[in-house]
Amino acid sequence: EPEVTQTPSHQVTQMGQEVILRCVPISNHLYFYWYRQILGQKVEFLVSFYNNEISEKSEIFDDQFSVERPDGSNFTLKIRSTKLEDSAMYFCASSGDTTNYGYTFGSGTRLTVV
Amino acid sequence: GESVGLHLPTLSVQEGDNSIINCAYSNSASDYFIWYKQESGKGPQFIIDIRSNMDKRQGQRVTVLLNKTVKHLSLQIAATQPGDSAVYFCADRTSGTYKYIFGTGTRLKVLA
Repeated sequence: EPEVTQTPSHQVTQMGQEVILRCVPISNHLYFYWYRQILGQKVEFLVSFYNNEISEKSEIFDDQFSVERPDGSNFTLKIRSTKLEDSAMYFCASSGDTTNYGYTFGSGTRLTVV
Repeated sequence: GESVGLHLPTLSVQEGDNSIINCAYSNSASDYFIWYKQESGKGPQFIIDIRSNMDKRQGQRVTVLLNKTVKHLSLQIAATQPGDSAVYFCADRTSGTYKYIFGTGTRLKVLA
């Protein structure tokens, strides 16, 4: 069964440092997403990406965040200057087209900012 | 405003019994709903979905019921098994968007 792959599984970084979280979506999917989940809380939408541009973003997704699809397979989330409150699980997801609304999520990257 | 919430944070059921997990939503423009299962250390896993023009959908051992009148969604799991132990999230999508709003989650504990 096709999977969404995320690396690394765990990232520890110092406050103020930049981090890049990487995702390889399912190969024939066209829509890509990042969500985050602070420990013990609900999953929150960050951003959706289609046709090489952001299609939607939440209020969480401020200027410190950016996304990129640098090649035909990777989808990245960059946090420019991490804060303690950025510590969370970050999930990448992809979906096929507008008739397939369900997502496939990756296993997540646990980001710990110290 | 938009919100999707769950009534019970933890549900404990005996193995073999049926489980019912409930969810309330407030956005009348929601047109699509999904139930996800999340096991420890893993991403949300799709269980079953339902569109707003339906009121019931069945899968393998799972049934989702949608009551648009009271904006209520439920997930029924038949003959609950130990492997069903997880956190269950409902999520809804507003028509015309691709983002999902997740509820806070219900932890299902299956007792042997």
